[in-house]
Amino acid sequence: NAGVTQTPKFQVLKTGQSMTLQCAQDMNHNSMYWYRQDPGMGLRLIYYSASEGTTDKGEVPNGYNVSRLNKREFSLRLESAAPSQTSVYFCASRFDQAGTEAFFGQGTRLTVV
Amino acid sequence: AQKITQTQPGMFVQEKEAVTLDCTYDTSDPSYGLFWYKQPSSGEMIFLIYQGSYDQQNATEGRYSLNFQKARKSANLVISASQLGDSAMYFCAMRERNTGKLIFGQGTTLQVKP
Repeated sequence: NAGVTQTPKFQVLKTGQSMTLQCAQDMNHNSMYWYRQDPGMGLRLIYYSASEGTTDKGEVPNGYNVSRLNKREFSLRLESAAPSQTSVYFCASRFDQAGTEAFFGQGTRLTVV
Repeated sequence: AQKITQTQPGMFVQEKEAVTLDCTYDTSDPSYGLFWYKQPSSGEMIFLIYQGSYDQQNATEGRYSLNFQKARKSANLVISASQLGDSAMYFCAMRERNTGKLIFGQGTTLQVKP
């Protein structure tokens, strides 16, 4: 009963390095989301995907790219990491029907030095 | 534009008392959903309650109820009979039907005192 799985759980990057955060869900959900959580800022939407092959920008997309290659997986890529991208990243998925909640992964704590 | 605002960064409540966490929203979409999530210190996101924009009655789930005032665009969470385990961060969120995006507020930290 995995739900939403994010990898890795922790990561330290040097400024300028690139990396991809992986997210997979096994609930056959249509919609998937990437958020970042910073103190006092709540969860801010980075990118959103309504279905396989479609993505849309959220509130804070700059410096990130995403890929929804199939229904299960939605990855977030940092091409050139900056200290301002130090944050906790959450992936979420949801079945696109009124009244259904989003399910979250356990989060990835990323530090850029 | 879609927006969620939680104006209470931190709240205290005495154990066994009720507490209201405020949430206001802004949207031009007539069809939307409102959600509340709890985030304990361990970090996971726990869904609490949902209210649809066309729902006639306020949502309730156990000790949680949502005070939905559509004209005021507010969706306050009421926790009755607070318990020590209710100490956590609480987030209000909104999903517009047109855009499909799920947007969160800044969160409110609730501390329950024994």
